[in-house]
Amino acid sequence: DTEVTQTPKHLVMGMTNKKSLKCEQHMGHRAMYWYKQKAKKPPELMFVYSYEKLSINESVPSRFSPECPNSSLLNLHLHALQPEDSALYLCASSLLRDGITFGSGTRLTVV
Amino acid sequence: RKEVEQDPGPFNVPEGATVAFNCTYSNSASQSFFWYRQDCRKEPKLLMSVYSSGNEDGRFTAQLNRASQYISLLIRDSKLSDSATYLCVVSPNSGGSNYKLTFGKGTLLTVNP
Repeated sequence: DTEVTQTPKHLVMGMTNKKSLKCEQHMGHRAMYWYKQKAKKPPELMFVYSYEKLSINESVPSRFSPECPNSSLLNLHLHALQPEDSALYLCASSLLRDGITFGSGTRLTVV
Repeated sequence: RKEVEQDPGPFNVPEGATVAFNCTYSNSASQSFFWYRQDCRKEPKLLMSVYSSGNEDGRFTAQLNRASQYISLLIRDSKLSDSATYLCVVSPNSGGSNYKLTFGKGTLLTVNP
């Protein structure tokens, strides 16, 4: 069982919909991450939150909006997505050093 | 030059074989190095960290050559369960608020009976 929990596991949404992806960890990690992974490609970093503050935004389009309500929770709000945004969205956490631990991901399909 | 480059693969080997993966990184200031494995339709999982002195964990040996900016992973006596994509991972720093990991494209390994 993964120690980083993501919901939902699967999501299908229309291009005019608004949805949110949720992530939770209880390992006391101080950093949380959103990565995007397309088929047969490596994970690509989107955002990093360090001590609940956004520390890295890898030039992600504004239709993706992250939120970190507290040290255990991380959300990704989605609005007006395009079909090419369909991918596996991976949340992760770390101690701001060493390896990072991934959740099992949300498989998103935009129709 | 890409930040992290790996052998393109795929690798198909019989059970019991020894297989080696190679990886190079472009940022000479990189501080932290890892190998992750990713099974089909699953999340990446940390396999092992890589240290300058080299490190071993059972059948797995990782090496780092900072001068050549080169990382390797050796798997001895490969098992069917080793079949996965192996991702070389690098961080530009050793920690702090901007700590992030950059992934190579991965190399697919299939171990055949």
